[in-house]
Amino acid sequence: DIQMTQSPSSLSASVGDRVTITCRASQDMGSYVAWYQQKSGKAPVLLIYAVSRLQSGVPSRFNGGGSGTEFTLTISSLQAEDVATYYCQKYNSVPVTFGPGTKVDIK
Amino acid sequence: QVQLLESGPRLVKPSETLSLTCTVSGGSIGTYYWSWIRQSPGKGLEWIGFVAYTGKTSYNSSLESRVTMSLDTSGNKFSLNLNSVTAADTAVYFCARGRAYSHYFDYWGQGTLVTVSS
Repeated sequence: DIQMTQSPSSLSASVGDRVTITCRASQDMGSYVAWYQQKSGKAPVLLIYAVSRLQSGVPSRFNGGGSGTEFTLTISSLQAEDVATYYCQKYNSVPVTFGPGTKVDIK
Repeated sequence: QVQLLESGPRLVKPSETLSLTCTVSGGSIGTYYWSWIRQSPGKGLEWIGFVAYTGKTSYNSSLESRVTMSLDTSGNKFSLNLNSVTAADTAVYFCARGRAYSHYFDYWGQGTLVTVSS
């Protein structure tokens, strides 16, 4: 199975900062990468699919990029409501797998 | 607006079977793939498997020997059975919607905590 890692595992940034989370896979994932936001006690919410496509209703400050085995989620201007854990997911084949998550806090 | 709602017992005894149902409202079961995903307390997300609108299933190999999923198209719902549970199966269980060849999840249930304990 493809193994996925995320870095950093946690970060603390100020409101308005640009924040980037990296997801790495043990094999080429093509364009089959999604990103989710999970707030405490809630279900994950889809932010990005197909590496860079913004899910309907998601603020444009969220951007996805990358290729091959390295992918990024960037929040262009961090807002207080972005406090959450973020997960990448690969779906090029089953089993679907998620990264271990990156916890984002406000400094 | 599509909504998913998990239901089932919140407490299951060790060695017994965990059974959950996800009811879909605001949309049809048809043409989609329906997954179960779980999250152990304080941990990450683990995909359990899916049942497609055709009835086709695919399970995570780590759980495959204990998992069965099924679909009830007339009731617009789908189900998960996980047998021979242990404390390690204690988790929040989510149901979610995916698509053929694109198993990212655009709609999720709120999740239900199932505790395995005697």
